[in-house]
Amino acid sequence: NAGVTQTPKFQVLKTGQSMTLQCAQDMNHEYMSWYRQDPGMGLRLIHYSVGAGITDQGEVPNGYNVSRSTTEDFPLRLLSAAPSQTSVYFCASSYAGGLLNEQFFGPGTRLTVL
Amino acid sequence: SQQGEEDPQALSIQEGENATMNCSYKTSINNLQWYRQNSGRGLVHLILIRSNEREKHSGRLRVTLDTSKKSSSLLITASRAADTASYFCANHQETSGSRLTFGEGTQLTVNP
Repeated sequence: NAGVTQTPKFQVLKTGQSMTLQCAQDMNHEYMSWYRQDPGMGLRLIHYSVGAGITDQGEVPNGYNVSRSTTEDFPLRLLSAAPSQTSVYFCASSYAGGLLNEQFFGPGTRLTVL
Repeated sequence: SQQGEEDPQALSIQEGENATMNCSYKTSINNLQWYRQNSGRGLVHLILIRSNEREKHSGRLRVTLDTSKKSSSLLITASRAADTASYFCANHQETSGSRLTFGEGTQLTVNP
């Protein structure tokens, strides 16, 4: 199994541009989530999904959209990039039962918005 | 706002010494999880302790949970240079639905 994969690894955007960060898992996990990590801080939850067709907002959802059309994929869309969205983004997944089990994290996408 | 807090923020020790990191939280939890993050990498799950458990072991790791004090500690025994990383606690609060709340982490440096 590849586990949780994220693409791209690095991205530079200009203010106002849009893009999609890809996340996929091949473990048939129901629960998937997106976090951002800023220097000296822990992870903050952006959006999460408890299953295909179901998404919900986390702690810092503004400026981001998600969808979950399949169990495997959970893309994160930046609608109009802002410098405040410069961060490292992590996708995570877990077995049924969501947070009752360990989270598997992807390697991250480092995003810079100029 | 962050509900988990790690203490200390940074810890530097010599190889072979034990490292203890603490984590506090503010509300009732279902479980508390510890993760490790090597520089520039994703987080890796270390251990999960449920609210009805007081202590768990995994290899050189020992985690305790004190729900009365709303705190947990992670002990790494006989540390190695390869243990150098950031360590995060994350709690699943009873009232948070499907959210996991991370602390700000402890940066551990193990000097050879």
